[in-house]
Amino acid sequence: NAGVTQTPKFQVLKTGQSMTLQCAQDMNHEYMSWYRQDPGMGLRLIHYSVGAGITDQGEVPNGYNVSRSTTEDFPLRLLSAAPSQTSVYFCASRGFSGPQSPLHFGNGTRLTVT
Amino acid sequence: QKEVEQDPGPLSVPEGAIVSLNCTYSNSAFQYFMWYRQYSRKGPELLMYTYSSGNKEDGRFTAQVDKSSKYISLFIRDSQPSDSATYLCAMSAVDNNDMRFGAGTRLTVKP
Repeated sequence: NAGVTQTPKFQVLKTGQSMTLQCAQDMNHEYMSWYRQDPGMGLRLIHYSVGAGITDQGEVPNGYNVSRSTTEDFPLRLLSAAPSQTSVYFCASRGFSGPQSPLHFGNGTRLTVT
Repeated sequence: QKEVEQDPGPLSVPEGAIVSLNCTYSNSAFQYFMWYRQYSRKGPELLMYTYSSGNKEDGRFTAQVDKSSKYISLFIRDSQPSDSATYLCAMSAVDNNDMRFGAGTRLTVKP
């Protein structure tokens, strides 16, 4: 049972480059989300989706795009990377669109922007 | 001021000690309170979940919520080296998909 799978595990980008962080879950969860984790800041929500074709912004959406064409996949796109986007990115999913269900996290993508 | 405040530690205790981890928050709309445990280089995993006020016990772990003080706690009894991890508090309002996390407290339990 894979759960939430994130690729790649590590990535180094130059300022201005673009890339897509991949996230896939095999639990048929409706809700999927992206967080970034920075020292002293905790996890901050970037974007989330409550189902295929539906996305919304979280606390820190600027510089990131998302789309949800299938239940399983929720990619995060950085259009023009900036050093401020150096962080660890976590994808998470849960079974219902309400907050009472636990989040299942992937193991993260560690991104460095130089 | 952050919406959720958590002392980042680090906290170091001997094996067998009782550990107390705490968070404070400012948003009175928060109704769901969770504790996640995160091992190094891994994603967080849910440890405890509480709705509204009160206590909840699960084995060596007890979660407490005091909404009047906007204060939540996690107690770990008979701590083990395997409990060494970062503990994150998290909370959200009803019908709110934006869960807010504390910065996390790094705990080390020494044999």
